[in-house]
Amino acid sequence: NAGVTQTPKFQVLKTGQSMTLQCAQDMNHNSMYWYRQDPGMGLRLIYYSASEGTTDKGEVPNGYNVSRLNKREFSLRLESAAPSQTSVYFCASTNDRSQETQYFGPGTRLLVL
Amino acid sequence: ILNVEQSPQSLHVQEGDSTNFTCSFPSSNFYALHWYRWETAKSPEALFVMTLNGDEKKKGRISATLNTKEGYSYLYIKGSQPEDSATYLCALDNYGQNFVFGPGTRLSVLP
Repeated sequence: NAGVTQTPKFQVLKTGQSMTLQCAQDMNHNSMYWYRQDPGMGLRLIYYSASEGTTDKGEVPNGYNVSRLNKREFSLRLESAAPSQTSVYFCASTNDRSQETQYFGPGTRLLVL
Repeated sequence: ILNVEQSPQSLHVQEGDSTNFTCSFPSSNFYALHWYRWETAKSPEALFVMTLNGDEKKKGRISATLNTKEGYSYLYIKGSQPEDSATYLCALDNYGQNFVFGPGTRLSVLP
């Protein structure tokens, strides 16, 4: 039982390049989330998926797209990376949106030059 | 967008001291309030989930209370230890809306 896994752990991109961050969970959770963490700002929700086949925007969705490929996997795509997207990205999952804790992945550190 | 605030931003205490910090929010209309402990270079780990006004939860030396009428939650650590050093996050699960995190309180426990 690996919990929530994320790949890659580190990535350096040039402005304008694209990439996809992968997230998978093996806990049979319905809901999955993508957050970014910036100094002094805590965690900010980018997108979430309440169930397979559905996605919704969070607080800071601009510049990102997501795909809920199946119940296990939820990917985050940067089509044209910008320096403002330099951050640490965390994926999380929970069985239900309410009253249950979220389980977090180890994070992906992204640097956009 | 629901605004969740935490204070203080950072805190330094001596080993053995007891301490507490605050999470505040403007509305009582939410599903649950969550507390997480986040060590540097690791993922946030869940401490408590609270839903009802007056809820009190305890795990070892750490406890939390919730007051939805006045819009705050307290996290208490009794007899702080160096291993308690971490950032403590609170988050609000808002009805049908976003899951909103506060900026965190960074605790350093000095031996």
